[in-house]
Amino acid sequence: EPEVTQTPSHQVTQMGQEVILRCVPISNHLYFYWYRQILGQKVEFLVSFYNNEISEKSEIFDDQFSVERPDGSNFTLKIRSTKLEDSAMYFCASSEGLAGAREQFFGPGTRLTVL
Amino acid sequence: AQSVAQPEDQVKVAEGNPLTVKCTYSVSGNPYLFWYVQYPNRGLQFLLKYITGDNLVKGSYGFEAEFNKSQTSFHLKKPSALVSDSALYFCAVRGPRAGSYQLTFGKGTKLSVIP
Repeated sequence: EPEVTQTPSHQVTQMGQEVILRCVPISNHLYFYWYRQILGQKVEFLVSFYNNEISEKSEIFDDQFSVERPDGSNFTLKIRSTKLEDSAMYFCASSEGLAGAREQFFGPGTRLTVL
Repeated sequence: AQSVAQPEDQVKVAEGNPLTVKCTYSVSGNPYLFWYVQYPNRGLQFLLKYITGDNLVKGSYGFEAEFNKSQTSFHLKKPSALVSDSALYFCAVRGPRAGSYQLTFGKGTKLSVIP
């Protein structure tokens, strides 16, 4: 069964450093998403991406964040200058067309620890 | 703004007994509702969804959920719980606003099935 994959599974970085989290969505999916889950809190939407551009973003997704689909398979989330409060589990998801009715398939997550 | 409430942090049931995990939502218009399950160190796995039609929807692993518009609820149910059902369960809603595909999640309910 096709699945969303994410690398690395765990990333440790120093405050102020840049990190890139990588995702490979399911191959025939058209919509891509990033969510995050701070320990003990809700899963929160960050951004959605369709047709090589951001279609929606939350208040969390400020100028420190960016997303890119550098090739036909990868989808990345970049945090330019990490802060302590960016420590969280980051989930990538993808869905087929007609995204509203289609379920989103989630990857296993990348645990980001900012020291 | 849309929101989801899962009033119980934890639900405990004996193996073989029926289980219910509660979810209520708030959204303008007709919602798209989803249930996801998260096992330790794993991503979110899709269980089932309600888009339209029959109020009782059936999903993976014997789970079902009942949509109740008047009570704005979407409770997850299973007639006979298994120990392997022990996990964290998330209810999510996607609002009907055109072009918005973000999921809003509840805080999750930890289900423990006692042998």
